[in-house]
Amino acid sequence: GQNIDQPTEMTATEGAIVQINCTYQTSGFNGLFWYQQHAGEAPTFLSYNVLDGLEEKGRFSSFLSRSKGYSYLLLKELQMKDSASYLCAVKPPKAGTALIFGKGTTLSVSS
Amino acid sequence: SAVISQKPSRDICQRGTSLTIQCQVDSQVTMMFWYRQQPGQSLTLIATANQGSEATYESGFVIDKFPISRPNLTFSTLTVSNMSPEDSSIYLCSVEPAEGNTIYFGEGSWLTVV
Repeated sequence: GQNIDQPTEMTATEGAIVQINCTYQTSGFNGLFWYQQHAGEAPTFLSYNVLDGLEEKGRFSSFLSRSKGYSYLLLKELQMKDSASYLCAVKPPKAGTALIFGKGTTLSVSS
Repeated sequence: SAVISQKPSRDICQRGTSLTIQCQVDSQVTMMFWYRQQPGQSLTLIATANQGSEATYESGFVIDKFPISRPNLTFSTLTVSNMSPEDSSIYLCSVEPAEGNTIYFGEGSWLTVV
């Protein structure tokens, strides 16, 4: 079966650091994506991890541990505009198959 | 990267009618997918749009309700047929270019059925 778990909601304050976790149990794995989705907008690509370790991209970093079926998205120096839903998605191993999405984490950043 | 244009961006539809959503990509892509995102929910895959052949539907979605066309490598349509209020949702086109591991989304089509 396919199962991707994320916390439903998180809150944080401006300037802080927040870590959004994602655990997955899928029949096969070919990479993990993180997307950001603001209310009323389509998802936008943040990161892609296929090997273990940390990928840093500006204020956002993403980590993957394939042996643990675990990833996290780390957001530093939070800004109000980071208030959004963050979607974790797994890419199945078979070529040409679509991403499997978690239910998303709604992050609220307050001043 | 791939730039995706979806039309319409928003529409209010009458119950029982059908609406076709278009997805145009600025480059040839290997894979095109259609997702639905109901209010407050995550993305659910409707089908994979196959170039030149019938789409591959996920469990719970059927061709009669969601006919899909993909005549070439840059264009696809999704029709939502005989709409009911339960079809009120965001419909998203997604593409996977041949050369990369990034999967892109169109801007989405916000449909409200009244």
